[in-house]
Amino acid sequence: AQSVAQPEDQVKVAEGNPLTVKCTYSVSGNPYLFWYVQYPNRGLQFLLKYITGDNLVKGSYGFEAEFNKSQTSFHLKKPSALVSDSALYFCAVRGYSGAGSYQLTFGKGTKLSVIP
Amino acid sequence: NAGVMQNPRHLVRRRGQEARLRCSPMKGHSHVYWYRQLPEEGLKFMVYLQKENIIDESGMPKERFSAEFPKEGPSILRIQQVVRGDSAAYFCASSDSGNTIYFGEGSWLTVV
Repeated sequence: AQSVAQPEDQVKVAEGNPLTVKCTYSVSGNPYLFWYVQYPNRGLQFLLKYITGDNLVKGSYGFEAEFNKSQTSFHLKKPSALVSDSALYFCAVRGYSGAGSYQLTFGKGTKLSVIP
Repeated sequence: NAGVMQNPRHLVRRRGQEARLRCSPMKGHSHVYWYRQLPEEGLKFMVYLQKENIIDESGMPKERFSAEFPKEGPSILRIQQVVRGDSAAYFCASSDSGNTIYFGEGSWLTVV
C-alpha cells in the first residue's frame, strides 16, 4: 500500500525567507505526486503535481516542488515566503486502492506559519 | 467557472439522525470522490463514483454510510443514525479523465 510522510507537523519561517515543506512517499510503480493547500475552514486547493518529466515542478502562487526518485521525496519550496502563505499543506500520492481504482493517499499535513 | 459545489457547509445533527451531504462536480467533470477529514488528521478516501455507478467504495465504513451519483442532480453522501465519531469535515472532489482532482469547500458535520 502507498503512504506519504510529512515529517514536520509545523514549519515556521520569516517573511521573505525561503521555505521548504518536506514530503516523502512510498508507492508501487511510477509515482504521481501532488501538493494541496488548505486555509482554515476551507477546502483543499491544488498547487502542483508531478507525473513525469522535469524533476522541478512549478505551480501556483510561486510554489515549486522537487521530485527526487532516489530519496523518494517531493519537497515543496518557495524562494520568498509571504504571510499569506500561512496555511496547512498536504502532500499526496496516487496509488492503487486495492478495489479497482487509483486514489490519492494524503499525508497528515504540515502547518506553515510565516512570521511578519 | 464554478468549482465543486458542496452543501450544506455546516450541518448539526443529533445522535441517531440522518445526515445528507450534497456535491455538484465542476462543469465537465464526470468523476466524483468523497473524502473525510477528522480533526488533526489528513484526508481519507471514502468513495469514488461516476454517473449512476459506484466505482470504488473501499474507504467507506461498512454500515450507515452510502453514496450515490444519479443521472440527474448532485452526488449525495448519506450517513444514517449518526454518532459522535462521525463529526468531521467531508470533502467532495471531482475530475475529468485526467489525474488532478479538485476539491469543494467541504461540509462540516457536527453530531451532538
